[in-house]
Amino acid sequence: QSVLTQPPSVSGAPGQRVTISCTGSSSNIGAGYEVHWYQQLPGTAPKLLIYSNTNRPSGVPDRFSGSKSGTSASLAITGLQAEDEADYYCQSYDRSLSGSVFGGGTKLTVL
Amino acid sequence: QVQLQESGPGLVKPPQTLSLTCTVSGAAIINGDSYWTWIRQPPGKGLEWIGYIYNSGRTYYSPSLKSRVTISADTSKNQFSLKLTSVTAADTAVYYCARGLGAFDFWGQGTMVTVSS
Repeated sequence: QSVLTQPPSVSGAPGQRVTISCTGSSSNIGAGYEVHWYQQLPGTAPKLLIYSNTNRPSGVPDRFSGSKSGTSASLAITGLQAEDEADYYCQSYDRSLSGSVFGGGTKLTVL
Repeated sequence: QVQLQESGPGLVKPPQTLSLTCTVSGAAIINGDSYWTWIRQPPGKGLEWIGYIYNSGRTYYSPSLKSRVTISADTSKNQFSLKLTSVTAADTAVYYCARGLGAFDFWGQGTMVTVSS
């Protein structure tokens, strides 16, 4: 059971928009801690996709965007492409656990 | 460009100690504003934060692993290391080293460690 809750899977057709939710609590996201998102392609290390809720590292397409509200955060992917098929993880800090916490991951399937 | 590379045995017998090293290039781990982190991922499962080291010696560990984990640094080699004692099959995972405290911006490729007799 992960501290941050993500849907196990989402899917969409090429060109469509999908969102992945990340639900936390008052001890992590709701406490104001930043949310970060990672993309993990099969057999590779995670790659930072969104940091500090809404920011994209250099080289990440603007098709990827992040948002945060209350105790939840979301990752949106527009103009879905076949190469977006991957696992996506959210991450934040939890003050009760005094450490970083991850969501359980969401598998994105491009139909 | 910061690069990290994990190294260590791929097979550890229970209840021995798992030892891994992360070699960093492109950044000095002695740099006080950088945090150096270990994260693991059991096969087919999600990511778990293990702990970090900063200021070349100050550490912080996941409460669930704290009794078994030690992270240390060798600034002369620009490396930091992970030791996990009394391993069981539940410690079988891909182990990643990464840079960061909040967001982890650079990651190693990961190394698979299997715990089995």
